[in-house]
Amino acid sequence: QVQLQESGPGLVKASGTLSLICVISGDSFSHSSWWNWVRQPPGRGLEWIGEINYEGRANYNPSLESRVSMSRDTSKNQFSLRLTSVTAADTAIYFCARLVSRNFDSWGQGTLVTVSS
Amino acid sequence: NFVLTQPPSVSESPGKTVTISCTRSSGSIDANFVQWYKLRPGSAPTTVIYEDSQRPSGVPDRFSGSVDRYSNTASLTISGLMPEDEADYYCQSYDSDIPCVFGTGTKLTVL
Repeated sequence: QVQLQESGPGLVKASGTLSLICVISGDSFSHSSWWNWVRQPPGRGLEWIGEINYEGRANYNPSLESRVSMSRDTSKNQFSLRLTSVTAADTAIYFCARLVSRNFDSWGQGTLVTVSS
Repeated sequence: NFVLTQPPSVSESPGKTVTISCTRSSGSIDANFVQWYKLRPGSAPTTVIYEDSQRPSGVPDRFSGSVDRYSNTASLTISGLMPEDEADYYCQSYDSDIPCVFGTGTKLTVL
């Protein structure tokens, strides 16, 4: 059974960089999966941030593309998110999730990141 | 990119049936599979329907999904409503330009 666990600072200063890691257990970077970040701002809906595959190929939400990057470390079985120039609008619960055949079948518990001024 | 529009909220009594719609703004709803997720505060989302109408193991058959190409709408129907069904529900789909689009979300209240 796949388990995902997000980790990273819960507080980031405005204009700074948000960095999160998702550790994967029970699976590895298989050819059929994409590894994603999704967020949910307080009181709002889910927003897809981006995905990365085993080759390190990434796709991003066009609305965030200029500020987001993702990477993976196959030796540590983890992938990461980096979001630059953050503002209060980036305050959200950030989830990592596995996408298989376009279905998110496994999710982390989520981690709250607050952007402070 | 297309938008998936859901009603902000629906409510129904226990034991009744409720349907949540998800309308695609452009492109055909049946061109790409639709998934449905249940999200409760403090918990990770879970899939209740994938590939338009398939139920993951462990999801009761009270949950069903369908797609109507004429109204360009996907629907999630929950019958025999139970208090634990109260949650936010999101549809999700994709196309060749964007790998993932979530719906606007619907808050289900079981009265």
